[in-house]
Amino acid sequence: AQTVTQSQPEMSVQEAETVTLSCTYDTSESDYYLFWYKQPPSRQMILVIRQEAYKQQNATENRFSVNFQKAAKSFSLKISDSQLGDAAMYFCAYRGSNYQLIWGAGTKLIIKP
Amino acid sequence: GAVVSQHPSRVICKSGTSVKIECRSLDFQATTMFWYRQFPKQSLMLMATSNEGSKATYEQGVEKDKFLINHASLTLSTLTVTSAHPEDSSFYICSARVGAIYGYTFGSGTRLTVV
Repeated sequence: AQTVTQSQPEMSVQEAETVTLSCTYDTSESDYYLFWYKQPPSRQMILVIRQEAYKQQNATENRFSVNFQKAAKSFSLKISDSQLGDAAMYFCAYRGSNYQLIWGAGTKLIIKP
Repeated sequence: GAVVSQHPSRVICKSGTSVKIECRSLDFQATTMFWYRQFPKQSLMLMATSNEGSKATYEQGVEKDKFLINHASLTLSTLTVTSAHPEDSSFYICSARVGAIYGYTFGSGTRLTVV
């Protein structure tokens, strides 16, 4: 069975600085998708970024980028120029062949003004 | 695009009664809907997967007679918590798969409190 591990329950970063959230996963599948979702205090889940496993190039979305290391089964999220609005819970998720999402435990990101 | 509208956002019900949560896909056809439960400061726990026109598939440990899921149309899926008890109090979220590879869209969640 697939698993997703987020080993950082909480991270804090100074506003305008860069922070990296870690995620590792375990799977025997070769074709899958990885996601980072943000859940602010409103609790609305918001897609931050996604990565197709067959793509070697790391996905980027403005200030958000990933470091996808397929062999190491690592999928970290880098947030550059952190803003107060980035404060939220961040969840890493894996989607395999059955289309179900496997979720990590989440990392609470605190932005210090 | 790809919006799922979830109602109600908050509901308080008495122990022993039933409550229905609706999720509607507004601008796309949701062939598959996922229902999650989220406890405070925890991750999402998948309760069941429903496909339009067929019976939902429940995860191990989820009581299918307590959590009734109906997905009768491509735009509406419902979760009914029957004979609710205080331990059913939680945050419930629906999510629909959007396209083959795009991803998923989520409802805004329902906070259920059973008193």
